[in-house]
Amino acid sequence: GQQVMQIPQYQHVQEGEDFTTYCNSSTTLSNIQWYKQRPGGHPVFLIQLVKSGEVKKQKRLTFQFGEAKKNSSLHITATQTTDVGTYFCARGPSGGYQKVTFGTGTKLQVIP
Amino acid sequence: NAGVTQTPKFRVLKTGQSMTLLCAQDMNHEYMYWYRQDPGMGLRLIHYSVGEGTTAKGEVPDGYNVSRLKKQNFLLGLESAAPSQTSVYFCASSFQSRYGYTFGSGTRLTVV
Repeated sequence: GQQVMQIPQYQHVQEGEDFTTYCNSSTTLSNIQWYKQRPGGHPVFLIQLVKSGEVKKQKRLTFQFGEAKKNSSLHITATQTTDVGTYFCARGPSGGYQKVTFGTGTKLQVIP
Repeated sequence: NAGVTQTPKFRVLKTGQSMTLLCAQDMNHEYMYWYRQDPGMGLRLIHYSVGEGTTAKGEVPDGYNVSRLKKQNFLLGLESAAPSQTSVYFCASSFQSRYGYTFGSGTRLTVV
């Protein structure tokens, strides 16, 4: 259906290591959004990807949309303790379904 | 530039009591949403609105009602609270359905 699956569910990394989370869909996505939620906080919109194969960067964060528009990834280079939180992907609205559907998230813990 | 404001931030209810959660946005957004977030369940859509005077059911609407009498406000009501409604509630808004969402800081509700 409209679900998006995220892996891994949890990830512990040593500070300075890289981190990647993946978002997968069984159907083609019109667009994909990424959000970050700090512990005890609220989700904050990071970016939206629309085009097949699109790659966008925000400082140490790299977002990629798959060529078939069925998957997406978020890669963080050289993690810092400020990267701690849960990262959600969300499939954007398409066709008659006018709402964003959130994945279950990847919880990142960075060990200093 | 307050964005999305939710009140109250915390509340404890007894089973059977009623309450209303208020969400206010000052960005002139058309779309507004109510989500609940439970451990391991991600963000689940309760109700949403695509404009003043309109409301629609989301993924988990049972036990909740909403109203959008003014464009800037979206109210979530619990008529008879149940322990299963213990959760963190987030309100969000967006300019259009395909744009990123702006979330409020959340309401932590405990029903005993």
